[in-house]
Amino acid sequence: EVQLLESGGGLVQPGGSLRLSCAASGITFSRYAMYWVRLAPGKGLEWVSTIIVGGNTYYADSVKGRFTISRDDAKSTLYLQMNSLRADDTAVYYCVKDLSGVGTPDYWGQGTVVTVSS
Amino acid sequence: EIVMTQSPATLSVSPGERVILSCRASQSINSKLAWYQQKPGQAPRLLIYGASTRATGIPARFSGSGSGTEFTLTISSLQSEDFAVYYCQSYDNWPPWTFGQGTKVEIK
Repeated sequence: EVQLLESGGGLVQPGGSLRLSCAASGITFSRYAMYWVRLAPGKGLEWVSTIIVGGNTYYADSVKGRFTISRDDAKSTLYLQMNSLRADDTAVYYCVKDLSGVGTPDYWGQGTVVTVSS
Repeated sequence: EIVMTQSPATLSVSPGERVILSCRASQSINSKLAWYQQKPGQAPRLLIYGASTRATGIPARFSGSGSGTEFTLTISSLQSEDFAVYYCQSYDNWPPWTFGQGTKVEIK
């Protein structure tokens, strides 16, 4: 059974940093592209970042230069380093596995809440 | 960047009714279109990919159709557990991966 367990969310002041983690189990993690997608209060789903097999990374314009996605295949763990946080980064952040061979998000973790507020 | 537009924003429906949700892409995305269901407090769930292929474990009452720029998600007979927000999403010509703004299906 696939499990994606996010952690690292919390309350942070504007300008601060957080590091999200996503521990995967039930899959051969190294074989999958992985995504971070967020849901802000009262808004819709927003793609944040993707890391594909081989390590290439992609970012939404709204987070480019502030967020860094990375992976540790030996630990089956995905990360999102978030710097220079703003109020509009407040959201539930989901770790999502790729649907192999298709190139779209497939299985979602339960999410971790990030609140940026003074 | 591809823009995805869903309609309507909210749909009030009675259980047992047939529901049709629409999604339009700002340019052709071939059939690289996915649909997700999200219930309050839960993670999204992939329903459809490739515009018309049901994901593993998805009931047959969910079906997707369309190509190019116009797509639909049909729920043949709405069940109580189907009240949720539905998102379409393009995965053509990434990045980015773009979502529609969602359609909320609520109880009439």
